[in-house]
Amino acid sequence: QVTLKESGPGMLQPSKTLSLTCSFSGFSLSTSGMVVSWIRQPSGKSLEWLAAIDWDGDKYYNPSLKSRLTVSKDTSNTQVFLKITSVDIADTATYYCARTVVTDYFDYWGQGVMVTVSS
Amino acid sequence: DIQMTQSPSFLSASVGDRVTINCKASQNINKYLDWYQQKHGEAPKLLIYNTNNLQTGIPSRFSGSGSGTDYTLTISSLQPEDVATYFCLQHSSRWTFGGGTKLELK
Repeated sequence: QVTLKESGPGMLQPSKTLSLTCSFSGFSLSTSGMVVSWIRQPSGKSLEWLAAIDWDGDKYYNPSLKSRLTVSKDTSNTQVFLKITSVDIADTATYYCARTVVTDYFDYWGQGVMVTVSS
Repeated sequence: DIQMTQSPSFLSASVGDRVTINCKASQNINKYLDWYQQKHGEAPKLLIYNTNNLQTGIPSRFSGSGSGTDYTLTISSLQPEDVATYFCLQHSSRWTFGGGTKLELK
């Protein structure tokens, strides 16, 4: 059974760095073809793909946010991390991690973690 | 970057109605188009992948069609449990979502 779960700080101040963790089970990111992505959704708005990391350690970023994003994974291949630097109010959103096989559709999603940027 | 334009953004329909939602890509996406359903407070749920493939466990009243830049999600007979927001996703080049369609009961 594939499951993913996001965790994060809940709230942080503008200009700080947001650190998020995606913990997953039921698959290994060392398996060929596996990809884990980060996606966010401001309240009442659409979804925005942010970044992805694949089984080979290759990383992919949304060009509009690339300078602020860093995606990484742990050596056990059961966690993926996302850092967003210099956050502001516009980064307030629910952040999801999701799995794809190769660069396909997102078949499994986490429940999401809400992050509020506020002074 | 590929842009996805979804329409309508809001839709009101009655139980039993046939409902269609459209997505238009800014360039040919070669049928790499998926549809998701999102209910309030939940993560998106995959309905259809690669234009017309029904995900396991999804009712057959949901179907998808399209090619090139134009794609459609159809609900053949709207049920009360279908009230949700629907998103399209292209995965031809990285990933881009449509703006969403909020479906309500009339």
